[in-house]
Amino acid sequence: GEDVEQSLFLSVREGDSSVINCTYTDSSSTYLYWYKQEPGAGLQLLTYIFSNMDMKQDQRLTVLLNKKDKHLSLRIADTQTGDSAIYFCAESQRGSQGNLIFGKGTKLSVKP
Amino acid sequence: GAVVSQHPSWVICKSGTSVKIECRSLDFQATTMFWYRQFPKQSLMLMATSNEGSKATYEQGVEKDKFLINHASLTLSTLTVTSAHPEDSSFYICSASSGLAAITDTQYFGPGTRLTVL
Repeated sequence: GEDVEQSLFLSVREGDSSVINCTYTDSSSTYLYWYKQEPGAGLQLLTYIFSNMDMKQDQRLTVLLNKKDKHLSLRIADTQTGDSAIYFCAESQRGSQGNLIFGKGTKLSVKP
Repeated sequence: GAVVSQHPSWVICKSGTSVKIECRSLDFQATTMFWYRQFPKQSLMLMATSNEGSKATYEQGVEKDKFLINHASLTLSTLTVTSAHPEDSSFYICSASSGLAAITDTQYFGPGTRLTVL
């Protein structure tokens, strides 16, 4: 079945870059997402990428997709303490209409 | 931006009672709402998908008689956990979509409801 895997923890120093990795198994995934969850809050969509794209950059965020290896990464440049949160990778075949398959989330801790 | 609220944010109930959780889209009309369940340190698992005015579609393994979902309007969906038991204790999260085909019109998530059944 479909599966999305992420490492559970990442710790970085303020100002460094953070790279959160994700692998997925469903080769028919069409849409890939990164969500951010702060304590007590809902999931916030950070960015997304179509499966026919290799890279997408949005301000401090860079998403890289290696479709051959089914590997997705999120790079946060100049990481700030406010970036501390849990980051979920998710994939879907049908975009907003379809079932999102989530990873377990990576807890990012940013140390001053 | 699109805001989704949930009520209550947390609830403690006795075993055998029923609990209703509300999910509201505050500034848009949600054609489709999704209900997820999240266990500690686990990913979100989709329980059911509901479209306004029609019956919810439940994922395999989710008991439709236990988790009653009503999506009577374009801004409100409710999840009722009937005859709750301690194993139903979990974090329940809803999301809402306006149903447009555009990828950027994705699911917007509520803050979640923590259910504890004693």
